[in-house]
Parts: sequence; structure tokens; C-alpha cells
Amino acid sequence: DIVLTQSPDSLAVSLGERATINCKSSQSVLYRSNNKNYLAWYQQKPGQPPKLLIYWASTREAGVPDRFSGSGSGTDFTLTISSLQAEDVAVYYCQQYYRSPQTFGQGTKVELK
Amino acid sequence: QLQLQESGSGLVKPSQTLSLTCAVSGGSISSGDSSWNWIRQPPGKGLEWIGYIYHSGTTYYNPSLKSRVTMSVDKSKNQFSLKLSSVIAADTAIYYCARARFDGYYFYGTDVWGQGTTVTVSS
Repeated sequence: DIVLTQSPDSLAVSLGERATINCKSSQSVLYRSNNKNYLAWYQQKPGQPPKLLIYWASTREAGVPDRFSGSGSGTDFTLTISSLQAEDVAVYYCQQYYRSPQTFGQGTKVELK
Repeated sequence: QLQLQESGSGLVKPSQTLSLTCAVSGGSISSGDSSWNWIRQPPGKGLEWIGYIYHSGTTYYNPSLKSRVTMSVDKSKNQFSLKLSSVIAADTAIYYCARARFDGYYFYGTDVWGQGTTVTVSS
């Protein structure tokens, strides 16, 4: 199985500041035939299902605020929240689709400082 | 818009079979660019993908659960189902049904989720 390791496990960020979450894959998730990375990012708030934020590592899902951005390729990926808002307090997960079984990172909890 | 709703047994005894159904509304389960997934989340823990099924009935299960999992689809009712046999306490979790999109090569995003249903394994 492809193992996704997120860092840090948690972080506290002040309102308006940047939050950066990393996701490292044990194998490349880049499909060279179409040059797409099969990695997605999700946000999960308490009592809610996960919400898709980013797919193909850097494509923002429709309706997701542009303060959320994804970057990276191959095995190393980053989710950035450029200016943290109160409603961004949540747990964030990465997920790979390149090889079954699909796997998730362990999650990163983002809190307000 | 597409919506998913889980239903089924909330309390299951150890060694018995967990059964859940996911009703699809606002779209067709026969959509060729979608797979229909089950994902679970133990209390206070992370997400575990259980498997998916296509409208054709083709399935793929997580090898860690494969011996105990059966998924099926009912196109006439626009719904799909999960059975997990020989349950143990570690199967206690919130179970989500969800749709993943397909781009012709791979799945690439699970964009529609049910609200989740809590299943507790206890005698």
C-alpha cells in the first residue's frame, strides 16, 4: 500500500496568517501519461463528512475559496491556507488515488492560536 | 445536485454481519464517470477506504477487509450496499458512502459524501 505521511500532526495559526500542511507519499503518485498527480486534499469539521478541497494535487474544487492552494509532484505535496479564517479550523487529510487501495494521510489538525 | 444517504443497522453484535445501504438522489448510479465508495472512520481517528463498486457491479475491496466485505448495486432503486461479516469491536466507526469521479485513467476526487452513519459493534 502507498503510505501517506502528513506533517505536522497539528498546528496553531493566528487569524490571517498562513498555514502549511505537508503530505509525503511512499511512492510517486504521478501518472506520466497525462502528467497528473493523483492526490487530493480534504477538510473535515467536527460532526461533518470530509469535503473535497483540491484534486490532481493543485486543482481547486468548484466553490472552494482561493486562499486554499495545493502544490507538489511525485511524492511531496503541500496544502497552503494563505490567510487563515476562523471557519478553516478543521482536520485536513490528503488521499492518493494512484494505486489501490486508496489511502489517506493520518490527518493534520488546524487550530487558532 | 447529487446527494447520498446512508441507512442501516446502528448496533451489531460481534461475529454478526453489518449491513448498510446508500440511496443516491439527484443523479444516476449508472453514471459512467463515477464509482460508489464506502469509507469509514473509527471514533476520533482517521479515514479508511473500504472499497468501491461500479454500476456494472465491478468491485474493488481494500485487501485488509476483502475477506469480509461484499458490495452490491441496485440500479432499479438507484442505491448501493455494503455488507461486512464477522464484525468485531474494531469495526465500530462512522461509515460514509461517497462518490468518486473518474477521468478516464484514475479516480481523482471524492466529491459527494453522505452524512455518515454510526455503527457500533457490541453485545
